[in-house]
Amino acid sequence: GENVEQHPSTLSVQEGDSAVIKCTYSDSASNYFPWYKQELGKRPQLIIDIRSNVGEKKDQRIAVTLNKTAKHFSLHITETQPEDSAVYFCAASIVPVKDDMRFGAGTRLTVKP
Amino acid sequence: DTAVSQTPKYLVTQMGNDKSIKCEQNLGHDTMYWYKQDSKKFLKIMFSYNNKELIINETVPNRFSPKSPDKAHLNLHINSLELGDSAVYFCASSQGGTPQETQYFGPGTRLLVL
Repeated sequence: GENVEQHPSTLSVQEGDSAVIKCTYSDSASNYFPWYKQELGKRPQLIIDIRSNVGEKKDQRIAVTLNKTAKHFSLHITETQPEDSAVYFCAASIVPVKDDMRFGAGTRLTVKP
Repeated sequence: DTAVSQTPKYLVTQMGNDKSIKCEQNLGHDTMYWYKQDSKKFLKIMFSYNNKELIINETVPNRFSPKSPDKAHLNLHINSLELGDSAVYFCASSQGGTPQETQYFGPGTRLLVL
């Protein structure tokens, strides 16, 4: 089955700097890659996703890139703000039939004011 | 923000007890899920259910069983609770049953087994 690895596990940046979180996946059949943000004590919420037919997607200060050949995808947050502090999860679908989504282990991002 | 709701929010119980967590979604979604998030924040799928098919993660003990009275509900029953069951349990739902559908999470149920 699919295996998703996420790095780093913790990331600390100064306010205004950029943050990059990387994930790799094992199954080349995976075709959907969402990113979830989980603030302390709250539920995971989708912030951006990308499908395998595009290489990059951007939404204001966040962007995701996908390299299908290398089987990795990354989350980029620019001009970080303290409210970006949270745990971020990447995920990948396994195969295009009914199946579950595999999550990375999470990255705890701390943005220092 | 009550599209996917769970009760109770907190659950403290003794080892060996049987407990249930309820989940309801009012989004009209076809598929519902249960996830376990342990102390290390790993999110692990436990079940997915779309009214026709139940998919069980093979690592889930059979003490855990999902029950769906209708399409909008997927409850989680846990028998003979163990210390290692302490975690946050998240319910989620998606429109269809394909992996490309966005999943919407409930607020989570914090289970503590003493």
